[in-house]
Amino acid sequence: GAGVSQSPSNKVTEKGKDVELRCDPISGHTALYWYRQSLGQGLEFLIYFQGNSAPDKSGLPSDRFSAERTGGSVSTLTIQRTQQEDSAVYLCASSRGEGGYTFGSGTRLTVV
Amino acid sequence: KQEVTQIPAALSVPEGENLVLNCSFTDSAIYNLQWFRQDPGKGLTSLLLIQSSQREQTSGRLNASLDKSSGRSTLYIAASQPGDSATYLCAVRRGNAGNMLTFGGGTRLMVKP
Repeated sequence: GAGVSQSPSNKVTEKGKDVELRCDPISGHTALYWYRQSLGQGLEFLIYFQGNSAPDKSGLPSDRFSAERTGGSVSTLTIQRTQQEDSAVYLCASSRGEGGYTFGSGTRLTVV
Repeated sequence: KQEVTQIPAALSVPEGENLVLNCSFTDSAIYNLQWFRQDPGKGLTSLLLIQSSQREQTSGRLNASLDKSSGRSTLYIAASQPGDSATYLCAVRRGNAGNMLTFGGGTRLMVKP
């Protein structure tokens, strides 16, 4: 596609439920990143994919968080047993080679 | 560990002013630096990308410079407009092969009519 697409744009979930966030990167972009932005905070790196593998998952805050990427394209970030502190905007970005990063519009997650 | 700092954290100016946003980083071994704009409740829009071998990039009323040896970048906005009101973020990329971006805390800009 023309840009990075994320779905859903907004998600409200009850504490303890699992959620899946989806990212569809720009076609041909081999690198894909997940970031988190909490209210009033900066951007926090979560995980990086090169193709389908994740060489750097150092930013995942706990084992409740996991991500996968299939076909070198779509990625899913899964949060299990959501907690209120998981409420944030989750941003996905993709890049190719020495080009810059292109971000999606994000998924605003609210845990109630 | 790379640290990126943006000064000022917030800025309010009257329409028409030229302004400079500052970004500094602690590790000069960067691959490139990117300036983004973020509107409230929205994602990030890329403004300018400067490779480590470049000194500046220009796009319309925006000009970004890079002094890698001193760990600094500036974003110059000419003839500011109310539509420029947003948060501006700089981010540095450590190396090729997809290394992550490290972001500054941003400068929140308000341009008053």
